[in-house]
Parts: sequence; structure tokens; C-alpha cells
Amino acid sequence: DQQVKQNSPSLSVQEGRISILNCDYTNSMFDYFLWYKKYPAEGPTFLISISSIKDKNEDGRFTVFLNKSAKHLSLHIVPSQPGDSAVYFCAARPNSGNTPLVFGKGTRLSVIA
Amino acid sequence: DAGVTQSPTHLIKTRGQQVTLRCSPKSGHDTVSWYQQALGQGPQFIFQYYEEEERQRGNFPDRFSGHQFPNYSSELNVNALLLGDSALYLCASLASGTGWTDTQYFGPGTRLTVL
Repeated sequence: DQQVKQNSPSLSVQEGRISILNCDYTNSMFDYFLWYKKYPAEGPTFLISISSIKDKNEDGRFTVFLNKSAKHLSLHIVPSQPGDSAVYFCAARPNSGNTPLVFGKGTRLSVIA
Repeated sequence: DAGVTQSPTHLIKTRGQQVTLRCSPKSGHDTVSWYQQALGQGPQFIFQYYEEEERQRGNFPDRFSGHQFPNYSSELNVNALLLGDSALYLCASLASGTGWTDTQYFGPGTRLTVL
């Protein structure tokens, strides 16, 4: 049973437009959520996170929104750039620093120039 | 500042063999976790080491074992390899005691192919 779901395997967006990547979770114990970006032949790179006490966190072009009642979060990238093309993983864990991350299957974002 | 490093980059083994993968954590980090990423899947937690002991374990058989050394580096050992063990093995490190907002940093991974 997948506790973190990314239902879109791929997404294609034009350069300069907004990219929206979605993630759903089923475990109500999850309190901390992260997005990782992964380029080929590299490990996942931490991008942005949000705790359950917030509904939005922003870092430059990246914003993560959390809807706890719907158990849904999304990552917005504005404006999208060709260098953003990568696989994006949503991850979650309960509110305890040392608990392991549970990952979704990832969404491959292609930003077209 | 070196990030998380892993060796080797690629490895090819045959069924039944044993393999050892290595990881050096980011400077200042004392906790190491190992993840398996199969093709088309997200990383799955194998286990975590802290103070040279296995602290948590995911849903992996005993064929998967590990070790952490006094310098915080770590090894992942897999015995009796199966075809299904073919995957990218990722090491992640973090600094303990930084609170619940701590972030794990990943290495580039070791690509294991079992023939």
C-alpha cells in the first residue's frame, strides 16, 4: 500500500510558465513533507519542505502548498526553466526527526524552451 | 565541503554472490540511512545507523545488513543476491539532534546490476 502517491509520472511545461507537481498521502501521522529533485546519475537533492503547522512555504521560484484536510500537497515552480527538468520526488515522515522518509514514485518534469 | 560520497559507482554481480557498498557521510553528519531505488520507483528505506548501531529498519530481509564505523562512514552488505536486488542504492546522511526539521542529504548512489 503506497502511503505517498504521485499520480502523474510525467509533466511537460513550456519555459516561463508555471509547473505544478502534485502529491497525495494516506498516513495521517505524516507531519513533515519534503520535495527532492533528482537528475540522472545523481542522488536526490533536497529542494523545499513544509511542516503540518503551515499551509505554504516559499523559497525563490519554488512554493509548496499543503492541504492537510485533503492530505494533498503541491509544488509550484514559477517561472519554469529548462534546468528544472528532472524527476521530482515527494517524501513524508511523522513528526520525529529520525524517522525514515517515505517517498512517492516521482514525477518527471520536462521544461521545454 | 564534501557532500555524501558513495563507492563504487556501478557494480555487476551474479545471482548468489555477495556485495558490499560504501558510504561516507557529509561532514558533520553522524547518522546514515540506506535506501533502495528500483527502476520507476521512489527510494525505499532499508535501515539507519547511528552510533555504530542499526537504529531503524525497513521491510527488507536479513540478507541486507550494514555497519557503521567510528568515523560515521557506513557499509551496506547484501548476501545471496537475487535478480530483484538490481537497483540504485542510495546513502543519506544527517546530523542527529537538529530537531524534527532536519534534512537528509543523499549521495549519488551505487547502481547494482544482478545477472
